[in-house]
Amino acid sequence: AQTVTQSQPEMSVQEAETVTLSCTYDTSESDYYLFWYKQPPSRQMILVIRQEAYKQQNATENRFSVNFQKAAKSFSLKISDSQLGDAAMYFCAYRSDGYSGAGSYQLTFGKGTKLSVIP
Amino acid sequence: SQTIHQWPATLVQPVGSPLSLECTVEGTSNPNLYWYRQAAGRGLQLLFYSVGIGQISSEVPQNLSASRPQDRQFILSSKKLLLSDSGFYLCAWSTWTRNTEAFFGQGTRLTVV
Repeated sequence: AQTVTQSQPEMSVQEAETVTLSCTYDTSESDYYLFWYKQPPSRQMILVIRQEAYKQQNATENRFSVNFQKAAKSFSLKISDSQLGDAAMYFCAYRSDGYSGAGSYQLTFGKGTKLSVIP
Repeated sequence: SQTIHQWPATLVQPVGSPLSLECTVEGTSNPNLYWYRQAAGRGLQLLFYSVGIGQISSEVPQNLSASRPQDRQFILSSKKLLLSDSGFYLCAWSTWTRNTEAFFGQGTRLTVV
């Protein structure tokens, strides 16, 4: 079974600065997908960024980028120019490639990192 | 566009009472549907998933059950709630496309008293 570990329960960053959230995972699969979800105080889960394991290029979405190290099974999220609205819980999630059957589309989540943004 | 509706948003129920949480998806057909639970200080735990009408798979044995009576309707139920059933419940859906993410409802905060 796959596991996802987020070793930083809480992080803080000054507004306009850069912060990196860590995530490691364990899997025996070669093809899979990794996601970062944001959960603001409203509790709505919002997709931040997605990475396909077969792509070597790191995904970027505006101020959000990832550092995907497949061999090390590491998937960190970098937030640049942090804004007050970035304050939230951030969850790293793993998903199989789907070839193993429909049930493999389920997400396995880490325990989350609570990010605070200091004005 | 696709949307997901989940209700109620908040629920307070006494121990031993029944539970019914409902989730519906609009704008897509034959979605994969999921129920997750989020306990305080923990990540999201998958409870059930469904790949079609009447097809339910359980990930964690517990006091809950799920049903999918229609293609885009997913229901989480319990006959008798326990204190340990308290938590935040999230419904989600995904397509069968390999590179898709899951889309989440707004969640239900359940407090069993």
